[in-house]
Amino acid sequence: EPEVTQTPSHQVTQMGQEVILRCVPISNHLYFYWYRQILGQKVEFLVSFYNNEISEKSEIFDDQFSVERPDGSNFTLKIRSTKLEDSAMYFCASSREGRNTGELFFGEGSRLTVL
Amino acid sequence: SQQGEEDPQALSIQEGENATMNCSYKTSINNLQWYRQNSGRGLVHLILIRSNEREKHSGRLRVTLDTSKKSSSLLITASRAADTASYFCATASNAGGTSYGKLTFGQGTILTVHP
Repeated sequence: EPEVTQTPSHQVTQMGQEVILRCVPISNHLYFYWYRQILGQKVEFLVSFYNNEISEKSEIFDDQFSVERPDGSNFTLKIRSTKLEDSAMYFCASSREGRNTGELFFGEGSRLTVL
Repeated sequence: SQQGEEDPQALSIQEGENATMNCSYKTSINNLQWYRQNSGRGLVHLILIRSNEREKHSGRLRVTLDTSKKSSSLLITASRAADTASYFCATASNAGGTSYGKLTFGQGTILTVHP
């Protein structure tokens, strides 16, 4: 069964460093998303992406964050200068339909630890 | 505003019993979805119910939606030890037009099923 894959599964970085989290969405999906879950807290929406541009983003998704689909298969989340509070599990998701938000298919997550 | 608040926060039952989890939300929705998360893993979509539906079934799952009360319930019948996980409701808002994959998750219910 097709699945969303994410790398790395765990990354430890120093505060102020740049981090890139990678995702390979399901191949026939057109809509891509990043969510995050701080330990013990809710899963939070970061950004949605369609047709090579951001469709919607949350207040969390500030100028430190960027997304890219560099090669038609990968979908990346970059955090330019990490802060301690960026420590979280980051989930990539994809879907067949985007308008009116249907079922999302999530990856296993990338755990980011900022020291 | 808080969306998708589940109760109870934790539920412990014996195998074979039914488990009921409730979710309340505040804004107008397009649909409500339930996801499952095993510890440290990704989110798995269970079921989606649209705002014009009142009840939906999928295997041992039954979901109800009451838009007048802005609430939903997830019933798992004949529970198994393998159902042990966290369960989240997530709402897709229709406020302000079309949403693109932006789900608002609740805090979740931790279900433990004892063999």
